[in-house]
Amino acid sequence: DVKVTQSSRYLVKRTGEKVFLECVQDMDHENMFWYRQDPGLGLRLIYFSYDVKMKEKGDIPEGYSVSREKKERFSLILESASTNQTSMYLCASSFLNPGVNTEAFFGQGTRLTVV
Amino acid sequence: SQQGEEDPQALSIQEGENATMNCSYKTSINNLQWYRQNSGRGLVHLILIRSNEREKHSGRLRVTLDTSKKSSSLLITASRAADTASYFCAPRPGNTGKLIFGQGTTLQVKP
Repeated sequence: DVKVTQSSRYLVKRTGEKVFLECVQDMDHENMFWYRQDPGLGLRLIYFSYDVKMKEKGDIPEGYSVSREKKERFSLILESASTNQTSMYLCASSFLNPGVNTEAFFGQGTRLTVV
Repeated sequence: SQQGEEDPQALSIQEGENATMNCSYKTSINNLQWYRQNSGRGLVHLILIRSNEREKHSGRLRVTLDTSKKSSSLLITASRAADTASYFCAPRPGNTGKLIFGQGTTLQVKP
């Protein structure tokens, strides 16, 4: 079974802290994604990576950065956490080639609270 | 925007009834995917339909795709209380691996 593992299920951080959310997948997927989910707003794409060291901004990249040094690991970084970044964060991965099964597999989510 | 827009936003039905959710999108696609999310969890892939397919079945799920209208529908037949969840569509363009989701449809199935 494909596994996408997020490092924490729940996280509480203080305003101004630098926060790292880690995501690891074991299916050799090229694509990896970070989303945040807030009530009434659905899932919003923060960043997308289609290869090691490659990244594209999603719809809401402000206040976030990402790192992909290895194919299996995609990190989301909150440079200086703020209370409006309190949210559920979801990581996902998929194959790049649309000719193969391209469904995305999701981690269990990290509920981040910034106080 | 390449995201899908689901309709209705919320749906409440009795167990045993059918549930229909719709998705509209704006760009040309390679495929369209439907996902389910139980409360507070990650999304789980349900079914994928390719742009050259018009209908696809998987168990109690039936998905249709009309590329001329840029729309898709997900039908859940003989619904169960365990189908209570949020459902999202994700149209996937051919030129990018990005998956962008809409707000989803929240389905409540009453026992």
